[in-house]
Amino acid sequence: DADVTQTPRNRITKTGKRIMLECSQTKGHDRMYWYRQDPGLGLRLIYYSFDVKDINKGEISDGYSVSRQAQAKFSLSLESAIPNQTALYFCATSDTGRSGELFFGEGSRLTVL
Amino acid sequence: GNSVTQMEGPVTLSEEAFLTINCTYTATGYPSLFWYVQYPGEGLQLLLKATKADDKGSNKGFEATYRKETTSFHLEKGSVQVSDSAVYFCALSDQAGNQFYFGTGTSLTVIP
Repeated sequence: DADVTQTPRNRITKTGKRIMLECSQTKGHDRMYWYRQDPGLGLRLIYYSFDVKDINKGEISDGYSVSRQAQAKFSLSLESAIPNQTALYFCATSDTGRSGELFFGEGSRLTVL
Repeated sequence: GNSVTQMEGPVTLSEEAFLTINCTYTATGYPSLFWYVQYPGEGLQLLLKATKADDKGSNKGFEATYRKETTSFHLEKGSVQVSDSAVYFCALSDQAGNQFYFGTGTSLTVIP
């Protein structure tokens, strides 16, 4: 089983619908992140969390919200999806320390019609 | 602020050709530098890293040297294979290791 698991892997929805992307990890890391990938723009940080009680906005948090339900679970919600939120979304985890690397899930492809 | 600029793609090479993907960064303090690789349909995975100036990261025949004087971390491989076809991302983490900043990615296609 993957260390970082994202569900769903693919989702097609309509404008205005509420969508939740879920992420769970078995690496025991405190730090979790949500990124969005768009062609030509690389990865952009949406939200990040350093522990269950710590939630921080990233570069592009507008239109998104998150919930850290447990150390191992970090969910991303789109309250009212719009077409320009069509993208590939990645969850990642990291251990503490400046040399800690990110461990990524396989991604959730979201299409908003 | 912190940022990463990497070579625009896509890059197409013949098998056994030499690869260079340029990456430069802007950062305060002493960041750590990374190259991540994304194979088709997969998430990103760490390829190599360097945590201080003059360190060389290496893995699977790829190398990159942390050059503080030129603020660069260029990725090189002497002889690419078809299986190296992927998107490569240069990244840095800030001095505290709290946030990561990614370049836009460079798509590499290696043809037989």
